[in-house]
Amino acid sequence: NAGVTQTPKFQVLKTGQSMTLQCAQDMNHNSMYWYRQDPGMGLRLIYYSASEGTTDKGEVPNGYNVSRLNKREFSLRLESAAPSQTSVYFCASSEPGTATRETQYFGPGTRLLVL
Amino acid sequence: TQLLEQSPQFLSIQEGENLTVYCNSSSVFSSLQWYRQEPGEGPVLLVTVVTGGEVKKLKRLTFQFGDARKDSSLHITAAQPGDTGLYLCAGAGGNNAGNMLTFGGGTRLMVKP
Repeated sequence: NAGVTQTPKFQVLKTGQSMTLQCAQDMNHNSMYWYRQDPGMGLRLIYYSASEGTTDKGEVPNGYNVSRLNKREFSLRLESAAPSQTSVYFCASSEPGTATRETQYFGPGTRLLVL
Repeated sequence: TQLLEQSPQFLSIQEGENLTVYCNSSSVFSSLQWYRQEPGEGPVLLVTVVTGGEVKKLKRLTFQFGDARKDSSLHITAAQPGDTGLYLCAGAGGNNAGNMLTFGGGTRLMVKP
């Protein structure tokens, strides 16, 4: 199994450009997440999707939109990129059992530089 | 917003030394997870602790959940260069909706041969 895959691995954008980060999981998980990781700040949740057809804002949703295309795929879109969005983006998925024992499985990340 | 503070932020030690990483919060969590992240990869779950006072061992790694379920520690005995990486704690439950996790800022560990 591939687990969680993300494309692209690297991207350089100019301020104002748009792009979509793709994420897919083959574990038949219901929940999917998008995080950004910045130095010294751990992982911050941007958006999540508890199940197919639902999406909700996380801690830092401004400047982003998401689409839960189907159970496997969850995309993150930057409509007008800003230098503050330079970061490493991680997608994750999980299969909620009891809330206290959930494991999130992460993709390898997309490194985004906005000039 | 719940905060998880990790200390130290950076740690550079020689092979064979022992170390402890701390994860502290003013909030109570239902469980606390520890992840390890290697360069260029996503975090990978090491352990989940659920009960206050719980201690779990994973080879040379010992994880403890505080009695009040507000803090946790990770102790590594006789560190190896292969232990090098970013260690992240993450809290679940508490005020978080559903299955959301709150991550700490991470401890970057380097073990020199």
